[in-house]
Amino acid sequence: KQEVTQIPAALSVPEGENLVLNCSFTDSAIYNLQWFRQDPGKGLTSLLLIQSSQREQTSGRLNASLDKSSGRSTLYIAASQPGDSATYLCAVKSGRNAGNMLTFGGGTRLMVKP
Amino acid sequence: DAGITQSPRYKITETGRQVTLMCHQTWSHSYMFWYRQDLGHGLRLIYYSAAADITDKGEVPDGYVVSRSKTENFPLTLESATRSQTSVYFCASSERETNEKLFFGSGTQLSVL
Repeated sequence: KQEVTQIPAALSVPEGENLVLNCSFTDSAIYNLQWFRQDPGKGLTSLLLIQSSQREQTSGRLNASLDKSSGRSTLYIAASQPGDSATYLCAVKSGRNAGNMLTFGGGTRLMVKP
Repeated sequence: DAGITQSPRYKITETGRQVTLMCHQTWSHSYMFWYRQDLGHGLRLIYYSAAADITDKGEVPDGYVVSRSKTENFPLTLESATRSQTSVYFCASSERETNEKLFFGSGTQLSVL
C-alpha cells in the first residue's frame, strides 16, 4: 500500500527565505504527483502536477521536483511571503485510471513571518 | 459563480439521521470525487464518479451513498449518521482522467452528535 510522508509537519520561517518542503512515498510506481495548498477552513488548491515522466514543474516562485527512483519530491518556494502561509500537501497517484486513488501526505503547515 | 460549490458549509446532526451533502460544479467536468479529511488520517476518498450514472467506491465507502443523475451534481448521503462520520467533507472534480489536476470545493464541516 502506498504511503506518503511529509516532513516537517510544521515550519516557521522569516519572510524572504527560500525554503524546501519534502514529500516521500514508498512505492515508486506512480503515475503522477501533485502539490496542493490548503488555507485554514478552505479546500485544496492544486499548485503543480508532475507526471511520472517529468523531473520538475515550475509556476512563478514555486518549483516542484520529482525523483521517482528514490521516492521523493520537493517543493521549492523562492523568496517566501506571509501570503504563502498555509498547509502544503502532496499527493501521489499510483495509476492512470480514476479509480487509482490519490494518496495524500499529512501536510506541512508553513508560517512565513513578516 | 463558476467553480465547484458545496452546501451546507456547516452541519450538525444527530446519530441515526440521514444527511445529504451537496456538490455542484459549473465546468462540466467528467470526474467528481468525495473526500473526507480527518486529523491523523489525512484525506481519504469515499466515492468517485467518471460520468453521469457512473459511480464507484473509494477507500472508505461504508455508510455513504452517492448518485450522479446530472453531470454537474454529485450529492453524498449519509444514510444513518454515526459519530465516526464527524469530519470535513470535500468534493472535487477534474476534467478528464488523463488531466488530473483536481479542483476542490470549500468543504462541509459535519458534526454528528
